[in-house]
Amino acid sequence: QKEVEQDPGPLSVPEGAIVSLNCTYSNSAFQYFMWYRQYSRKGPELLMYTYSSGNKEDGRFTAQVDKSSKYISLFIRDSQPSDSATYLCATPQFQKLVFGTGTRLLVSP
Amino acid sequence: DTEVTQTPKHLVMGMTNKKSLKCEQHMGHRAMYWYKQKAKKPPELMFVYSYEKLSINESVPSRFSPECPNSSLLNLHLHALQPEDSALYLCASSQNTATNEKLFFGSGTQLSVL
Repeated sequence: QKEVEQDPGPLSVPEGAIVSLNCTYSNSAFQYFMWYRQYSRKGPELLMYTYSSGNKEDGRFTAQVDKSSKYISLFIRDSQPSDSATYLCATPQFQKLVFGTGTRLLVSP
Repeated sequence: DTEVTQTPKHLVMGMTNKKSLKCEQHMGHRAMYWYKQKAKKPPELMFVYSYEKLSINESVPSRFSPECPNSSLLNLHLHALQPEDSALYLCASSQNTATNEKLFFGSGTQLSVL
């Protein structure tokens, strides 16, 4: 079993839709979670950083952590074509980030 | 400013060439990382430098040689690479290597080995 699981997609939505991206993890010792956005052939950009269970909001983005279910989510409201990218969830473990496989999101105009 | 700068952005090299990738950050971070990313895969850790000392080498072949001249700079020296080494090479930095630190990535160097 992979430490962090993520559906690779692609996930296709129309502009303006609410997008839900999800990851599950296996190790209950994981405490910190990050969401990165990566455009094609570019480096990952840190979008959200969360620690405790609950929601964290930043503009159109909301990160949610449910430690009892070992489930993390990223919601994007009013999605835009510029949101089309690969979204990676990650958690730090012993000086390295453990990544999910990434979900490719396509937002059509 | 959360910028990590990598040069060059693109690099094509033959299997007998020697080249170097460069990375720079001015955020005062004391941990710097090299990751390798193949197409449609997540990044994989190669090396970690903490306070300019190599702290992790993820069993990377010796044809990849990292160097940390000072706390702001990180190099990756390449020699006798193989075509399967073609990938996006990412530099990252964080305040230190504590578990709760955020990692910031550069834009990467797209490397092609012919």
